Amino acid sequence: NAGVTQTPKFQVLKTGQSMTLQCAQDMNHEYMSWYRQDPGMGLRLIHYSVGAGITDQGEVPNGYNVSRSTTEDFPLRLLSAAPSQTSVYFCASRTTGDTGELFFGEGSRLTVL
Amino acid sequence: GDSVTQMEGPVTLSEEAFLTINCTYTATGYPSLFWYVQYPGEGLQLLLKATKADDKGSNKGFEATYRKETTSFHLEKGSVQVSDSAVYFCALMGAQKLVFGQGTRLTINP
Repeated sequence: NAGVTQTPKFQVLKTGQSMTLQCAQDMNHEYMSWYRQDPGMGLRLIHYSVGAGITDQGEVPNGYNVSRSTTEDFPLRLLSAAPSQTSVYFCASRTTGDTGELFFGEGSRLTVL
Repeated sequence: GDSVTQMEGPVTLSEEAFLTINCTYTATGYPSLFWYVQYPGEGLQLLLKATKADDKGSNKGFEATYRKETTSFHLEKGSVQVSDSAVYFCALMGAQKLVFGQGTRLTINP
């Protein structure tokens, strides 16, 4: 009963380094998304995907890349990390349809020095 | 664009007190509305939802009614417990995406 699994849970990077946050879901959900959570700002959508091979930008996409080669996986890539990307990142998935409940992973805390 | 505004926190109450967390929204049409809860160290999980005007969502003693006249979806609970301490997020379903409010941190003291 895994649901949405994110790795790693914690990561420290230096400015300019690259890394990938992994996200996998086992619920056969078409829709997957990445949010970042910052104090006082709630959750902001970075990128989302409505199915394999289809991705789109959210509210704050700059500095992040995504791809969706399978239904299960939706990795988030930081090509050149900046201190402004220090945040907690959440992956979430749901079925399609506007009443679908979002299922969240436990989060990945990223610190960029 | 679509947006959600929640009452600012943090909110601190004593056990068995009455809780209200205000939420108002701006959106085109009549979107589905949600309350999510985040316990310490965890991801968000759905608390309750309402999909059309005048619907009441309820779960674990919490309730919220979809009021299109006032574009509001206030969260209420008659008697809070220490275990309700968490961050609460109001959200609406826009085009293909959930739009969240900034969250309200709730602390319940015994």
